[in-house]
Amino acid sequence: DTAVSQTPKYLVTQMGNDKSIKCEQNLGHDTMYWYKQDSKKFLKIMFSYNNKELIINEIVPNRFSPKSPDKAHLNLHINSLELGDSAVYFCASSQVTGYYGYTFGSGTRLTVV
Amino acid sequence: GNSVTQMEGPVTLSEEAFLTINCTYTATGYPSLFWYVQYPGEGLQLLLKATKADDKGSNKGFEATYRKETTSFHLEKGSVQVSDSAVYFCALSTVQGAQKLVFGQGTRLTINP
Repeated sequence: DTAVSQTPKYLVTQMGNDKSIKCEQNLGHDTMYWYKQDSKKFLKIMFSYNNKELIINEIVPNRFSPKSPDKAHLNLHINSLELGDSAVYFCASSQVTGYYGYTFGSGTRLTVV
Repeated sequence: GNSVTQMEGPVTLSEEAFLTINCTYTATGYPSLFWYVQYPGEGLQLLLKATKADDKGSNKGFEATYRKETTSFHLEKGSVQVSDSAVYFCALSTVQGAQKLVFGQGTRLTINP
């Protein structure tokens, strides 16, 4: 039973399109995150939600809009996709304090052509 | 702000060699420290963690000790295998401020038979 699951695993789309990535966790965690991994493997946080409430919103273009319908789901919608959005996007979850670590999904590789 | 610095990669070793990947951190407050591993084409897996000074995290033959006096959390393994080839990330999390995981830049490790 997958703890943090993301769909789709691969996403190839044209510039200007709108796309969504879905994330679900079955660990009972209160906090969920989106991270972006660039071509050099660097990982940077984009957003975090605690129990459906937005906690962190790093400097991310407002074309990116996270949505958390409940504390087990955190989806990422991206409008007007650009070439520079090509990356691997990871969803993660943790208990409130992060003491026990963070559990990551397997990633979504987004390629904008 | 909080930050993590890892040794520059890539690192290439022969099988059964001794491995050290250096990691130092800067943090406000008292962080928890983590090593994550990303195997080719896969997501991030928690390798080990430590939550207080002098704690030693260990897993799969890997070890790291939380050194508060040197703000370090170096990863070591006594005898590496080809299957250890992956990208390794040092990371920290603090309870002060918004909860998030801050990553180092990653170190690519290749083990040759």
